[in-house]
Amino acid sequence: DIVMTQSPDSLAVSLGERATINCRSSQSVLYSPNNKNYLAWYQQKPGQPPKLLIYWASTRESGVPDRFSGSGSATDFTLTISSLQAEDVAVYFCQQYSSAPLTFGGGTNVEIK
Amino acid sequence: QLQLQESGPGLVKPSETLSLTCTVSGGSINTDSSYWGWIRQSPGKGLEWIGSIYYTGSAYYNPSLRSRVTISVDTSKNQFSLNLNSVTAADTAMFYCARLCNTGTGGRGNPDCWGQGTLVTVSS
Repeated sequence: DIVMTQSPDSLAVSLGERATINCRSSQSVLYSPNNKNYLAWYQQKPGQPPKLLIYWASTRESGVPDRFSGSGSATDFTLTISSLQAEDVAVYFCQQYSSAPLTFGGGTNVEIK
Repeated sequence: QLQLQESGPGLVKPSETLSLTCTVSGGSINTDSSYWGWIRQSPGKGLEWIGSIYYTGSAYYNPSLRSRVTISVDTSKNQFSLNLNSVTAADTAMFYCARLCNTGTGGRGNPDCWGQGTLVTVSS
């Protein structure tokens, strides 16, 4: 199984400041024939299911604000919230879909400082 | 607008079978571009993919659960279902059904539309 490791576990950021979440996979999730990274990011608020933010490592899902961006390749990835808003308080997960079984990171809890 | 809704018992006894159904509305389950999957979330194990199914009935399971899991699809009702047998307290979790997009072989994809989830507790 591909193990997804997120850091940090928890993050406190001031409103309007940048939040950066890291995700590392134990194997590359880059598929060379199409040069795509099979990596997605999700946001989960209390009492709600996860919401897809980013797929193919850097493609924003429709309707997701452009303050959310994804970057990285192969085994190292980053989710950046460029200017944290109050409604961004949530837990964020990465997920690989490069190989079965699908696996998720342990989550990063983002709070307001 | 696609919606998914889980249904089933919220309490299951140890050693029995957990059965859940996901009803899809606002779209057809008969689509070439998606898998339909089950994912569970517990404080101890985080988010765990249980398995995925294609509308044709081809199913793919997490090896860690394969011996106990069956996922089936009923296209006439636009539903798919999960059976997990021989449950223990370790199977207590929030269970989500989801549509998987950007799919690859073997049931792979990323869930882009989720049900609200249903909490299943295993207890006598």
